[in-house]
Amino acid sequence: AQSVTQLDSQVPVFEEAPVELRCNYSSSVSVYLFWYVQYPNQGLQLLLKYLSGSTLVKGINGFEAEFNKSQTSFHLRKPSVHISDTAEYFCAVSDRDAGNMLTFGGGTRLMVKP
Amino acid sequence: ETGVTQTPRHLVMGMTNKKSLKCEQHLGHNAMYWYKQSAKKPLELMFVYNFKEQTENNSVPSRFSPECPNSSHLFLHLHTLQPEDSALYLCASSQGRDTSYEQYFGPGTRLTVT
Repeated sequence: AQSVTQLDSQVPVFEEAPVELRCNYSSSVSVYLFWYVQYPNQGLQLLLKYLSGSTLVKGINGFEAEFNKSQTSFHLRKPSVHISDTAEYFCAVSDRDAGNMLTFGGGTRLMVKP
Repeated sequence: ETGVTQTPRHLVMGMTNKKSLKCEQHLGHNAMYWYKQSAKKPLELMFVYNFKEQTENNSVPSRFSPECPNSSHLFLHLHTLQPEDSALYLCASSQGRDTSYEQYFGPGTRLTVT
């Protein structure tokens, strides 16, 4: 079975600073990878996804992530964060051969301070 | 209404009550999902429906009973719940059951079992 580890439960950062949220997954032959964001009192919203092709994926709100197969990682980055980026971020993985089940990480709370 | 809606947004119920959660998607999708989001635990997939047929039951206790009368509506019937069932229950939908399709989430129902 797949597993996803988000190494940091909380990441405090000052506004306009860069940020990286880390995600590692258990190895599989081929995977789909996702980052979702959850704002307070809301459901999850897709930020970006990797299905195939270029390992650098660009998403909404200025976020990007890089798929690194050798390190089984899919870290999320943003060069300059805003107060409005304060939210919970979830990494998720699915095995291409395992149907339609997403496995989520425990989440990282990004706290942007003025 | 647009996207995925869930009612009620908040629910408090006793252990002997029977209640139902409702989810409706206005996106023309064919697949619908129930997830459980507990504090300090990763998001857990509970059930998957594709074209009204249940395709996944992720070892969910029988006190949770899903119903999908059509591709736009999904219910979760609750009876004789336990306090540990208190959580945020999220509904999602996607165009198809393959995880390459983006899942769109509703805002969730915050359930408290007393």
